[in-house]
Amino acid sequence: DIQMTQSPSSLSASVGDRVTITCRASHTIYTYLNWYEQKPGKAPKLLIFAASDLQSGVPSRFSGRGSGTDFTLTITSLQPEDFATYYCQQSYSAPLTFGGGTKVEIK
Amino acid sequence: QVQLVQSGSELREPGASVMVSCKASGYTFTSYTLNWVRQSPGQGLEWMGDINTNTGNPTYAQGFTGRFVFSLDTSVSTAYLQISGLTSEDTAVYYCARDFTFYCVGSSCQRRFDSWGQGTLVTVSS
Repeated sequence: DIQMTQSPSSLSASVGDRVTITCRASHTIYTYLNWYEQKPGKAPKLLIFAASDLQSGVPSRFSGRGSGTDFTLTITSLQPEDFATYYCQQSYSAPLTFGGGTKVEIK
Repeated sequence: QVQLVQSGSELREPGASVMVSCKASGYTFTSYTLNWVRQSPGQGLEWMGDINTNTGNPTYAQGFTGRFVFSLDTSVSTAYLQISGLTSEDTAVYYCARDFTFYCVGSSCQRRFDSWGQGTLVTVSS
């Protein structure tokens, strides 16, 4: 199975900050990588697919980069509604696996 | 618009069974695979497997074989997750999620979960 490791597991940031979350795969997954946002008590929401493509309706302050084993999700100018937990997911091989999550909290 | 609506919270005693439903609307049900994802209390997301809504063929992740069954009723655009022999470790929120697969190279596919149900909390307690 491909292991997905996110860092940090949590971070504190202020509104307006630039935030970067890292996801590392245990084997190459090329660009078979998605990012999701989950708010408390809600279902996850797709943000980024294929490592860098923005899902329709997602604000342009979200961006993804990377290929192979190392990926990043960046939020430029953090907004109040962005405080949530973010997960990466690989779809290169079954079982599909998620990272452990990064909780973005208000500083 | 695409919607997945799941059945409500369930409370079961250990050893019992439960069935969670996921009703789809706003798209052709049999054109997209459906996935099931578990989230234990305070934990991350865990892919349980998927079901091909065209063929009915399920795929189960390791750890979700035996007691877990995915099924369909395409006449009402609904997928089901049945769990038998419940234990306290099955207490979790269970999500269904539509699978948008946009290309495959060999056995590797660019898949994304583009629409999710609201989640169903299953609590196992005596």
